[in-house]
Amino acid sequence: DAGITQSPRHKVTETGTPVTLRCHQTENHRYMYWYRQDPGHGLRLIHYSYGVKDTDKGEVSDGYSVSRSKTEDFLLTLESATSSQTSVYFCAISEPLLQTSNYGYTFGSGTRLTVV
Amino acid sequence: AQKITQTQPGMFVQEKEAVTLDCTYDTSDPSYGLFWYKQPSSGEMIFLIYQGSYDQQNATEGRYSLNFQKARKSANLVISASQLGDSAMYFCAMREALFSGNTPLVFGKGTRLSVIA
Repeated sequence: DAGITQSPRHKVTETGTPVTLRCHQTENHRYMYWYRQDPGHGLRLIHYSYGVKDTDKGEVSDGYSVSRSKTEDFLLTLESATSSQTSVYFCAISEPLLQTSNYGYTFGSGTRLTVV
Repeated sequence: AQKITQTQPGMFVQEKEAVTLDCTYDTSDPSYGLFWYKQPSSGEMIFLIYQGSYDQQNATEGRYSLNFQKARKSANLVISASQLGDSAMYFCAMREALFSGNTPLVFGKGTRLSVIA
């Protein structure tokens, strides 16, 4: 198993404050992803990383930044939180699927963020 | 245009019956993979089944099977002999560029399945 830990699990913050969510993995996987989940929208990609200091934007990247200074940690920062960023945030890694040449995706437990 | 469409926001099924959750996709890439995930009320994302675009046979994993119709661009999930524990949100997802390194998953909006005793 991938060993993905997200922290914090829950957070309430005020509008305009900076917030950083952490995703930590223990298995040296190269690819990591941040998604947000909102009712009626499924999961939408915010940013992803394909290596240390290599990141790219996803579908809903406005208002978010990321950093990956070590393989095991992928940080998501809301520079100035807004109520529209109230959501559940999932981190994911991709790893080889058993008995195939392709990759599966394993998700962390999620962070529930409320911006008031 | 949406890449993954799940047209059933919610469904009910009687315990022990089979149920099909619909998923259609849109891509011009010949190399892609289709995934189904289950999200119970506890919130975790659980991988269920995978189908590659070049796979000749439909994928099966226990009570889950994927009805892959390439020409129709559909990848429906079939759950046989439904159990109360199958009540959850189900997401269909796709990854393109299968052999060009890793690309992110794109998700549908999900179908909430409720199993009735």
